[in-house]
Amino acid sequence: GEQVEQLPSILRVQEGSSASINCSYEDSASNYFPWYKQEPGENPKLIIDIRSNMERKQIQELIVLLDKKAKRFSLHITDTQPGDSAMYFCAVYAQGLTFGLGTRVSVFP
Amino acid sequence: DAGVTQTPRHEVAEKGQTIILKCEPVSGHNDLFWYRQTKIQGLELLSYFRSKSLMEDGGAFKDRFKAEMLNSSFSTLKIQPTEPKDSAVYLCASSHNSQNTLYFGAGTRLSVL
Repeated sequence: GEQVEQLPSILRVQEGSSASINCSYEDSASNYFPWYKQEPGENPKLIIDIRSNMERKQIQELIVLLDKKAKRFSLHITDTQPGDSAMYFCAVYAQGLTFGLGTRVSVFP
Repeated sequence: DAGVTQTPRHEVAEKGQTIILKCEPVSGHNDLFWYRQTKIQGLELLSYFRSKSLMEDGGAFKDRFKAEMLNSSFSTLKIQPTEPKDSAVYLCASSHNSQNTLYFGAGTRLSVL
């Protein structure tokens, strides 16, 4: 099946700065790339996604970039706030939705 | 609208037992996924159904894990026989189709002694 690498596994950022998470995948047929946020005790929830016909998508402070040629995509959280502290998972759809191992983001004052 | 319902919420089993986890997807959703979540391995895909047809059976999980979807509103995941390394949270999720939002159930926390 598809393999998804996600880095870094832990990310500490100062409030107001940007946080970036990078993912790479193997299957060039993959065409859908969502990002999920999981807070303690909660289930993962979709925060933003991008399809293969796009290179960039922004929803408020969230920006996703997709480089299909390099088989990489990334999530950028601009102007981080304490509420952004959570686990973030990238995912890739090929045959089923395969998740990366996650990034624990901590925003400190 | 009801979300994804999973039962039981907690399960404790002894090594070698058979356990069956249950899932009811969101009504009208065509895709159903079973995942196992641990801190080390993250979210591992166990099974994927599209319109009740098995699309992905999780490769390495095939030998002791069997997911079934006998109708569009109910799925089971059987683990037989259980091993201590199976201790994890098992999440069921559904979506309208493969490129739409995935809605997760509350999960079943399995402990194998």
